[in-house]
Amino acid sequence: NAGVMQNPRHLVRRRGQEARLRCSPMKGHSHVYWYRQLPEEGLKFMVYLQKENIIDESGMPKERFSAEFPKEGPSILRIQQVVRGDSAAYFCASSPTGDDTGELFFGEGSRLTVL
Amino acid sequence: DAKTTQPTSMDCAEGRAANLPCNHSTISGNEYVYWYRQIHSQGPQYIIHGLKNNETNEMASLIITEDRKSSTLILPHATLRDTAVYYCIARYTGGFKTIFGAGTRLFVKA
Repeated sequence: NAGVMQNPRHLVRRRGQEARLRCSPMKGHSHVYWYRQLPEEGLKFMVYLQKENIIDESGMPKERFSAEFPKEGPSILRIQQVVRGDSAAYFCASSPTGDDTGELFFGEGSRLTVL
Repeated sequence: DAKTTQPTSMDCAEGRAANLPCNHSTISGNEYVYWYRQIHSQGPQYIIHGLKNNETNEMASLIITEDRKSSTLILPHATLRDTAVYYCIARYTGGFKTIFGAGTRLFVKA
């Protein structure tokens, strides 16, 4: 049973370009969470999605950032017009239910570098 | 989610028990204590969680004080591969906004 798969593992973008990060949850999981980790800091919650629904995006910056989890395919975190401050590791996690009495399963992360 | 307080870093000798403390004095009755760890920028890994009773699994033991204001994660025989940042989190069931603080950086030394 494959774990949470994230790609690309590393992404380099120039200022003003777009970054798309993909996350395939574990098989059977329909709940996806995105976190951002700046260097030497803890993980910050960004957004929680179920299939075709955004449940909570209170951690998402108001502009340039969006997320989706379509009926088919992976969850996508999209960052438009990237700036140097967007350089970070972006982690995706999944769980089988939103009840969350158990654990979150994390992917290995996507590391974005903005030049 | 209740705020948690952990030491910034700790050392432990290989083969000895690593005891990682966590204070969560404002925890409410329906908040669980969770522990995750992050090994060298990998994705966080779940370790254990509990509500009131002490818990043990193949990775670690979790000791929660009777008043639930603090807890200790115990790695019974630390190895070099246990060097990581350990996060203590207090959260509601159904609370998906798991909040990760700065954690404790554990160094296991040979």
